[in-house]
Amino acid sequence: DSGVTQTPKHLITATGQRVTLRCSPRSGDLSVYWYQQSLDQGLQFLIQYYNGEERAKGNILERFSAQQFPDLHSELNLSSLELGDSALYFCASSGGPNQPQHFGDGTRLSIL
Amino acid sequence: AQSVTQLDSQVPVFEEAPVELRCNYSSSVSVYLFWYVQYPNQGLQLLLKYLSGSTLVESINGFEAEFNKSQTSFHLRKPSVHISDTAEYFCAVTETGANNLFFGTGTRLTVIP
Repeated sequence: DSGVTQTPKHLITATGQRVTLRCSPRSGDLSVYWYQQSLDQGLQFLIQYYNGEERAKGNILERFSAQQFPDLHSELNLSSLELGDSALYFCASSGGPNQPQHFGDGTRLSIL
Repeated sequence: AQSVTQLDSQVPVFEEAPVELRCNYSSSVSVYLFWYVQYPNQGLQLLLKYLSGSTLVESINGFEAEFNKSQTSFHLRKPSVHISDTAEYFCAVTETGANNLFFGTGTRLTVIP
């Protein structure tokens, strides 16, 4: 058990819809990272938050957004969903820069 | 810019045989290196890391990796694999002081009984 909790585990929705994925980091970790894992793109870094503030941005689409709340949990919002957004979305947390990241079990998003 | 190359997408190996999973990185600055393992339907688990110090790092389940700066490599090895080692293995790199990891495309290790 990594200590990182992601909900829901599975999400099935239709094109054009909007979903919210939730992540609770390990106790004490201030950094939260979001990744997308798909068959064609592999594991891609999306965005990082540190203590409530956006710290780094990767290959995140404009239709996607994230935030980290005062209790340090984070949400990833995906809107105007397309078939290509179907993927596993992972959240990871760490204690700080260059510290190992600990991953949750992911949310599997299926767009029909 | 950083990048990670895992040349072997699939590696089949017989049980109790040795295995090496290759990882090469490119970066113009100092890096930290990691190996993660992903079992079916699970998230990624940290296997081992190189931050500084000894270039040979070991995990608790018999894997080891050696940081070779001149060859920009961080290959993962195990002298004798078990069925339970069947999984996907990801090499990752981050520049010192940076925040996000860059992952390779993964190597699927299949241990054959």
